[in-house]
Amino acid sequence: AQSVTQPDIHITVSEGASLELRCNYSYGATPYLFWYVQSPGQGLQLLLKYFSGDTLVQGIKGFEAEFKRSQSSFNLRKPSVHWSDAAEYFCAVGARSGGGADGLTFGKGTHLIIQP
Amino acid sequence: DTGVSQDPRHKITKRGQNVTFRCDPISEHNRLYWYRQTLGQGPEFLTYFQNEAQLEKSRLLSDRFSAERPKGSFSTLEIQRTEQGDSAMYLCASSPLGQGAIFGPGTRLTVL
Repeated sequence: AQSVTQPDIHITVSEGASLELRCNYSYGATPYLFWYVQSPGQGLQLLLKYFSGDTLVQGIKGFEAEFKRSQSSFNLRKPSVHWSDAAEYFCAVGARSGGGADGLTFGKGTHLIIQP
Repeated sequence: DTGVSQDPRHKITKRGQNVTFRCDPISEHNRLYWYRQTLGQGPEFLTYFQNEAQLEKSRLLSDRFSAERPKGSFSTLEIQRTEQGDSAMYLCASSPLGQGAIFGPGTRLTVL
C-alpha cells in the first residue's frame, strides 16, 4: 500500500524568504506525484505534478518540486514566498493505471504561516 | 465549463437519514473521483470511475455508501443510514488521462 509523510505539521516563513516543504512517499514502483494547496474555505488547487521525465517540475504560482527516487521524496520549493501563499499544502501519490492515476493517497498536510 | 461543480454545498441531516450528493465533472474528463476530508486531515480516497465503470473502491466505502456514474457524465454519492462519523467534506474531482485531478468545492455534511 502506498503512503505519504509530510513531516512538518506547521511551518512559519517570513515574507520574501525561501520555502521548502518536505514530502516522503512509500510506493513499490514509480508513482504519480502531486502537490495541492488548500486555502481556508477553498477547494484543493493543483500546484504541480510529476508523471515522468525531468525530475524537476515547474508548477503554478512560482512553485517547483523535485522528484528524488533514491530518497523517495518530492519536496516543494519556492524561492520567495508572498503573504498570499499562506495555506495548507498537501502532497499526494497515485498508482499508475491505464494512462492515469488511481485514487490518490494524501499526506496530512503542512500548514504554512507567513510572517510579515 | 468552468470547473467541477458539486451540489449541495452544505447538507445537515439527522442520524439515520439517507443523503445523496451530486458531482458534475469537467465535460471532457473521463475519470471522476470521490474523496472525504475531515478537519485537520488530508483527503481520503473513496472511489473512482473511468467513464461509467467504477474501477476502484476504498475500504472506507462501507456498505452504506454507493456511488454511480450512469452515463459517464455526472456522478452521485449516496450515504444510507447516516452516522455522526459520516460528518465530513465530500470532495469530487475529475481528470483526463495523464493529468492531475481538478477538485470541486466539496459538499459539507453534518450529521446531527
